[in-house]
Amino acid sequence: DAGITQSPRHKVTETGTPVTLRCHQTENHRYMYWYRQDPGHGLRLIHYSYGVKDTDKGEVSDGYSVSRSKTEDFLLTLESATSSQTSVYFCAISPLGEQGGNEQFFGPGTRLTVL
Amino acid sequence: AQKITQTQPGMFVQEKEAVTLDCTYDTSDQSYGLFWYKQPSSGEMIFLIYQGSYDEQNATEGRYSLNFQKARKSANLVISASQLGDSAMYFCAIRSNDYKLSFGAGTTVTVRA
Repeated sequence: DAGITQSPRHKVTETGTPVTLRCHQTENHRYMYWYRQDPGHGLRLIHYSYGVKDTDKGEVSDGYSVSRSKTEDFLLTLESATSSQTSVYFCAISPLGEQGGNEQFFGPGTRLTVL
Repeated sequence: AQKITQTQPGMFVQEKEAVTLDCTYDTSDQSYGLFWYKQPSSGEMIFLIYQGSYDEQNATEGRYSLNFQKARKSANLVISASQLGDSAMYFCAIRSNDYKLSFGAGTTVTVRA
């Protein structure tokens, strides 16, 4: 199994509070991603990173920011959580650009509830 | 922009039979990658199979095979000899030139004993 962990795994918070989700990898892959999963929508890309301090927006980036100061960590921040951000959040890593790398491996997910 | 369409929201299959999950895509990229993932009720996303747009042969991984028809923009997943443990949600995805993945809405497969 790819070495990806997410923390916390579950979180309940109130509208208007800041929330930070952490993704940690032990594979030293360059590419890291944040997705959200909602019923009827599959997974939608929020932000992704192609290296330390290199990030770009996905299709549902409004209300989210990311940071990557180290290869192994990719943080997703909700500056002021809203109920519409209640979702399951998945982190993923990919060995793109490395020998034989085409897959994208997912972390276990974080279930976030915003009340 | 990339788009993935999975038209079958749910399917039933008898144990030991084969099942085909449909996936069509839309992209303007010349080079792209197609993926299938399995999500069991426990929630994790499990990578199953990958097909590159320039790969001439259909990808296979054990009981999984990808029926790639480039002209029709189709990338169907075939699961042979279904097992009870195959009951899950299955997602098709496409990776664009800028390395972003776009997912379909998924197909739920239920394997009956």
